[in-house]
Amino acid sequence: QMQLQQWGAGLLKPSETLSLTCAVYGGSFSGFYWSWIRQPPGKGLEWIGEINHGGSTHYNPSLKTRVTISVDTSKNQFYLKLSSVTAADTAVYYCARGGLDPSRDGWFDPWGQGTLVTVSS
Amino acid sequence: DIQLTQSPSFLSASVGDRVTITCRASQGISSDLAWYQQKPGKAPKLLIYAASTLQSGVPSRFSGSGSGTEFTLTISSLQPEDFATYYCQQLNSYPRTFGQGTRLEIK
Repeated sequence: QMQLQQWGAGLLKPSETLSLTCAVYGGSFSGFYWSWIRQPPGKGLEWIGEINHGGSTHYNPSLKTRVTISVDTSKNQFYLKLSSVTAADTAVYYCARGGLDPSRDGWFDPWGQGTLVTVSS
Repeated sequence: DIQLTQSPSFLSASVGDRVTITCRASQGISSDLAWYQQKPGKAPKLLIYAASTLQSGVPSRFSGSGSGTEFTLTISSLQPEDFATYYCQQLNSYPRTFGQGTRLEIK
């Protein structure tokens, strides 16, 4: 059964860069799209972007200028970097597996456990 | 961006009740919709994809229907473990978007 385990710094100062890692265990890494999704405290879900094993990416235009998602297929890991963070970026960040073909199966399952990232001076 | 609007935003119900949550899309999305359940402090869990296909392991009391712009999630007989927040998500186009959520609480 596939599991996603994520980690990264939980407390940042304004203007710093958020960096998170998601490792995939127990299943195929190749072929799938891998997403990052965030949830501010007490609020709803926002899709950040995705990458596949070949490095093809799609980003949310609302964050595109600050987001980089990358992948290391040798480690079955993918990464999120979000630059110039502000308090508005405070959220629980999740990694999740998308589908093989985004035009057909772009739902998210499974998900990582979530990482709370707080931006505060 | 495709906007998804869920109704109601808050729902109070009793064990054994039948409940329905609606998700309306700002434009047609065929059957490209998924539903998730989220409990406090936990990641969302996929319940239904392609509008009406039950994810493996999800109880059959959950069902989904709809296409185009209007979709529903129905729980036929509420169980104590069903009290949670539910989200719809469209996978028709980028960026992927979610509804604002429906919080289901015990009456």
